[in-house]
Amino acid sequence: AQTVTQSQPEMSVQEAETVTLSCTYDTSESDYYLFWYKQPPSRQMILVIRQEAYKQQNATENRFSVNFQKAAKSFSLKISDSQLGDAAMYFCAYRAGTYKYIFGTGTRLKVLA
Amino acid sequence: GAVVSQHPSRVICKSGTSVKIECRSLDFQATTMFWYRQFPKQSLMLMATSNEGSKATYEQGVEKDKFLINHASLTLSTLTVTSAHPEDSSFYICSARDLQGQTQYFGPGTRLLVL
Repeated sequence: AQTVTQSQPEMSVQEAETVTLSCTYDTSESDYYLFWYKQPPSRQMILVIRQEAYKQQNATENRFSVNFQKAAKSFSLKISDSQLGDAAMYFCAYRAGTYKYIFGTGTRLKVLA
Repeated sequence: GAVVSQHPSRVICKSGTSVKIECRSLDFQATTMFWYRQFPKQSLMLMATSNEGSKATYEQGVEKDKFLINHASLTLSTLTVTSAHPEDSSFYICSARDLQGQTQYFGPGTRLLVL
């Protein structure tokens, strides 16, 4: 069975600094997608970034980038130039052919002014 | 981007009553919608997959007679919590998959409190 693990329940970063959130997963599939979602206090899930497993190039979206290591089954999120608005719960998610998402347990990110 | 709405955003009901939650894709057609439950400070747990025009597929441990799902059109799925009890109090989130299928778009969630 597929699993997604986020080993950091909580992380803190100083405003304008860089932080990396970890995610590992387990699967026997070769074709899948990985996602990072942000859930602010409003609890609206917001897609941050998406990575297709068949792509070797790491996805980037402005200040957000991933380090995708397929062999190691690792998918970390790097947030550069952290802003106060980045404070939220961050969930790593995995999706294979059934379109069902499997979420990690989340990492709460605090941004310190 | 794609927008998914949920109604109501918050509902309080008495134990034993039924509550219906609507999930709508506003600017795209969704053949598949998903219903999640999220307890405080926990992750999202998939309850069921809702397919337009067919029966929903429930995850293991989810009572299909208690959580009735109807996906009557390509833009609307409903979740009815029947005979609600206090332990059903939770945050319910829906998501919708567009026809291209690669990304799910999430609704804003519904907070259910059963007294």
